[in-house]
Amino acid sequence: GENVEQHPSTLSVQEGDSAVIKCTYSDSASNYFPWYKQELGKRPQLIIDIRSNVGEKKDQRIAVTLNKTAKHFSLHITETQPEDSAVYFCAFNTDKLIFGTGTRLQVFP
Amino acid sequence: KAGVTQTPRYLIKTRGQQVTLSCSPISGHRSVSWYQQTPGQGLQFLFEYFSETQRNKGNFPGRFSGRQFSNSRSEMNVSTLELGDSALYLCASSLGGGLSRLYNEQFFGPGTRLTVL
Repeated sequence: GENVEQHPSTLSVQEGDSAVIKCTYSDSASNYFPWYKQELGKRPQLIIDIRSNVGEKKDQRIAVTLNKTAKHFSLHITETQPEDSAVYFCAFNTDKLIFGTGTRLQVFP
Repeated sequence: KAGVTQTPRYLIKTRGQQVTLSCSPISGHRSVSWYQQTPGQGLQFLFEYFSETQRNKGNFPGRFSGRQFSNSRSEMNVSTLELGDSALYLCASSLGGGLSRLYNEQFFGPGTRLTVL
């Protein structure tokens, strides 16, 4: 069935370090891969997305890479800050968005 | 523009009851999707409505149903509530039309937290 595996489920880093979250999806026809950030008690919000015609996209401290052959995509956060602490969800599209189970990122000062 | 709104924000029900949740999308958005969020399970897709028609459905039992009105507002109904239905129910709206619909950013509401006792 349609699913996406997301790892790790929790991630703790020191402020200033980098964080990487990886997802593996099932549908090779997928062509849109967004990442959502959900802060504690708040709604999920889109932080970055990538389409299948590119391999990497950057926006300041965050970047997403896509390997369509391996059906992997990853979120990279550099120079992490305490306000990056949140749950991050990857997703991919089929005829609907399928979300991963989330990664709880904690950034310690 | 006003964001996506959901009512009520909190609900406490008992097993066997039914519940109706409401979602008002961003003005101009025609697609509304519903998700169930539980700890460790992420966001599980329930269904999507576009122009008053259910366009997609997830793997949930028939106790979960929904509808969309001509103003794009959507309601979700759960009948014969079970303890396992306790969750945060999120709706999300997007522009939803045309071939680009699958690239449309989804804007989430604050959710309705349902507790079934």
